[in-house]
Amino acid sequence: GQQLNQSPQSMFIQEGEDVSMNCTSSSIFNTWLWYKQDPGEGPVLLIALYKAGELTSNGRLTAQFGITRKDSFLNISASIPSDVGIYFCAGQLSNTGKLIFGQGTTLQVKP
Amino acid sequence: DGGITQSPKYLFRKEGQNVTLSCEQNLNHDAMYWYRQDPGQGLRLIYYSQIVNDFQKGDIAEGYSVSREKKESFPLTVTSAQKNPTAFYLCASSATSGGDTDTQYFGPGTRLTVL
Repeated sequence: GQQLNQSPQSMFIQEGEDVSMNCTSSSIFNTWLWYKQDPGEGPVLLIALYKAGELTSNGRLTAQFGITRKDSFLNISASIPSDVGIYFCAGQLSNTGKLIFGQGTTLQVKP
Repeated sequence: DGGITQSPKYLFRKEGQNVTLSCEQNLNHDAMYWYRQDPGQGLRLIYYSQIVNDFQKGDIAEGYSVSREKKESFPLTVTSAQKNPTAFYLCASSATSGGDTDTQYFGPGTRLTVL
């Protein structure tokens, strides 16, 4: 079945630093989504990407849909303590709407 | 207030008992989904429903059952046949199941612990 490889698995950074994480797949997706999950809560949608090559920003977050449609990255600039959480990428299959999730990147920010 | 609600937040059951997790949405979404999350792992799809009175198995449907009698409700039953039921269960919904309106939004989750 389809799989997404998300990296890095975890990051421990200093407040104010920039962060980058990415997802790659052997499959082509029509949509890439990035979610953030706080402990014990459901994932919250951060950015949705619908076109190959698309670069989208949401405040300090920037994400891109790879040209090959097999990868995506998420950047967080000037990290703050509330950025702590688990970040998931997800590729969406167009015919069923099913999401395939990456394993998650756990981000910790040191004040 | 529009959104997805799951209840209860925490659920404890004895081994061998069936248990039903609730998921309700007032977003008028057609599609609904159930995922399971284990520590340090991504979400895995249990069941999904694209329309009322219809649902399909996801990647890990064994030991689970669902129903979709109403558009706004998609309850999940964890049966005694599920070998390792302790997990965090997440419900999601999307306007449709194809195209740009199929972005999935998640509920707050139910943590099930089987003793």
